[in-house]
Amino acid sequence: DVKVTQSSRYLVKRTGEKVFLECVQDMDHENMFWYRQDPGLGLRLIYFSYDVKMKEKGDIPEGYSVSREKKERFSLILESASTNQTSMYLCASSSFQASYGYTFGSGTRLTVV
Amino acid sequence: SQQGEEDPQALSIQEGENATMNCSYKTSINNLQWYRQNSGRGLVHLILIRSNEREKHSGRLRVTLDTSKKSSSLLITASRAADTASYFCAAISGNTPLVFGKGTRLSVIA
Repeated sequence: DVKVTQSSRYLVKRTGEKVFLECVQDMDHENMFWYRQDPGLGLRLIYFSYDVKMKEKGDIPEGYSVSREKKERFSLILESASTNQTSMYLCASSSFQASYGYTFGSGTRLTVV
Repeated sequence: SQQGEEDPQALSIQEGENATMNCSYKTSINNLQWYRQNSGRGLVHLILIRSNEREKHSGRLRVTLDTSKKSSSLLITASRAADTASYFCAAISGNTPLVFGKGTRLSVIA
């Protein structure tokens, strides 16, 4: 069964901490994405990548960075966590032009205190 | 890609009834996709309909696409309590990221 795995289901971090959210896919997909989801705001795109070592900013990249050193792994980094980054984070992957749709991970619910 | 706008925002029906959700978009597309999200989980891809298709079926799901009206609808027949979830559409053109709307929240009451 193909899948996207996010390293943590729930995470609690302190303000100012550097936070790493890991995402691994086993489908040999070229494209990988990070979204955050907040009540009333829907899903918003943070960063995406179409190839190894390639990254593009989405709609809300401020306060985040990403790393894609290997095709199967796409990491989201919160350089200095703040309370307004408390959210559900969703990773997804797809083939070129999403011909078969996106496959999402189960999500990481991050709370910054 | 472009954001799909789902309508209605919320829908409540009895088990066994059909549920219809609509999606509108603005410009030409390659395909349109529907996703389901159970509370607190990731999105699950349900069905993809290409721009040259008008209707597609998958089990109890029926999707239609009207490119002249730039709209799509998702019909779930004989709804079950397990269909309670949020449903999202996303229209894609080229290799650009999907942009999701706020979704339709479906409640199926047993």
